[in-house]
Amino acid sequence: EVQLVESGGGLVQPGGSLRLSCAASGFTFSNYWMSWVRQTPGKGLEWVASIKQDGSEEYYVDSVKGRFTISRDNAKNSLYVQMNSLRAEDTAVYYCVAIGRLRSFEFWGQGTLVTVSS
Amino acid sequence: DIQMTQSPSSLSASVGDRVTITCRTSQSISSYLNWYQQKPGKAPKLLICAASSLQSGVPSRFSGSGSGTDFTLTINSLQPEDFATYYCQQSYSTPVTFGPGTKVDIK
Repeated sequence: EVQLVESGGGLVQPGGSLRLSCAASGFTFSNYWMSWVRQTPGKGLEWVASIKQDGSEEYYVDSVKGRFTISRDNAKNSLYVQMNSLRAEDTAVYYCVAIGRLRSFEFWGQGTLVTVSS
Repeated sequence: DIQMTQSPSSLSASVGDRVTITCRTSQSISSYLNWYQQKPGKAPKLLICAASSLQSGVPSRFSGSGSGTDFTLTINSLQPEDFATYYCQQSYSTPVTFGPGTKVDIK
């Protein structure tokens, strides 16, 4: 059974930092591009960042470039995102997602809530 | 960025109804269009990729069609477990983008 389990969410002040983790199991993690996707009631679903199987390529939505860094550890079947200089508009549920055929979002975690507020 | 629109934004339907949801993109995306179902408090679930390819385990009452800029998700004979919000997503170009969603609820 495919499982993606996020952790690390919580309440952080504006300008603060947070690191989210995602533990993968039930599939060959190292074969998949991986992504973070976030969801807010106001903006809906938004792709945040993606990373290639070997970590050699990374892509980000413009709104997080220079503030967020996606990374992975294939030996630990884990995905990460380091989020710095957090803003109120980064408040969302963050999902860890495995990318499948034709760049569809095939497997999803249950999500972790990040709240940026003073 | 490619803009996505969905219509309707919400609809009320009865069990057994046929439901059609439309997704339009601001530029041609070939068949790089995916559909997701999301229930309250849960993560989205991939139903259809590449406009018309049903994911393994998804009931055959779901179908997708279209190419270019106009796409359709059809649910034949709506079942109680199908009441949810449906999103389209283009994976043609970065940033990939999602539609605003269509909420299907019980009439």
